[in-house]
Amino acid sequence: GNSVTQMEGPVTLSEEAFLTINCTYTATGYPSLFWYVQYPGEGLQLLLKATKADDKGSNKGFEATYRKETTSFHLEKGSVQVSDSAVYFCALRGDTGFQKLVFGTGTRLLVSP
Amino acid sequence: DSGVTQTPKHLITATGQRVTLRCSPRSGDLSVYWYQQSLDQGLQFLIQYYNGEERAKGNILERFSAQQFPDLHSELNLSSLELGDSALYFCASGPSRETGELFFGEGSRLTVL
Repeated sequence: GNSVTQMEGPVTLSEEAFLTINCTYTATGYPSLFWYVQYPGEGLQLLLKATKADDKGSNKGFEATYRKETTSFHLEKGSVQVSDSAVYFCALRGDTGFQKLVFGTGTRLLVSP
Repeated sequence: DSGVTQTPKHLITATGQRVTLRCSPRSGDLSVYWYQQSLDQGLQFLIQYYNGEERAKGNILERFSAQQFPDLHSELNLSSLELGDSALYFCASGPSRETGELFFGEGSRLTVL
């Protein structure tokens, strides 16, 4: 079945550092890929998405590129802020029928001033 | 605001008891998904409904049940509660195009004492 693997956290960075959170997936066909973010005490919010190979999703300075050849969707940001501290979930959704979102285990990001 | 409403936000109860969690999806969304988020198991898919019918089942215990009503709101019933059922329960809804993103409510935090 479909699955997502993302790097374990926590990831601890200083403000303005470069961020990469790795995500790889296993799926048949052409799934859609997502990054969700969960701020402390809140629900999950969609951060960005990509629906086909080589698409780049971007939002709030974050970006991720759908790489089918490496089955990856790594999240990057050039300069993190303290307010980016949250848990980030990589997820995929299959391309046929009524597909659920399959999530990775989440990566906690801690950004210090 | 995702447009998905969950009640109650917090619930504290005792082992052996029964609780009902309620979810109202975004206007126009026909699909409702339930997820459980616990510290040790991440985000686990429980069950999905589409326009009143069950579409997919995940790791949902037999003590748990759900339904979607004609007005599209959904309820998740948890019975014979155990300490290990303490978790954050999320509801999500999705548009009719089934490969799109899901929109999450803020969750219902259940504590079983």
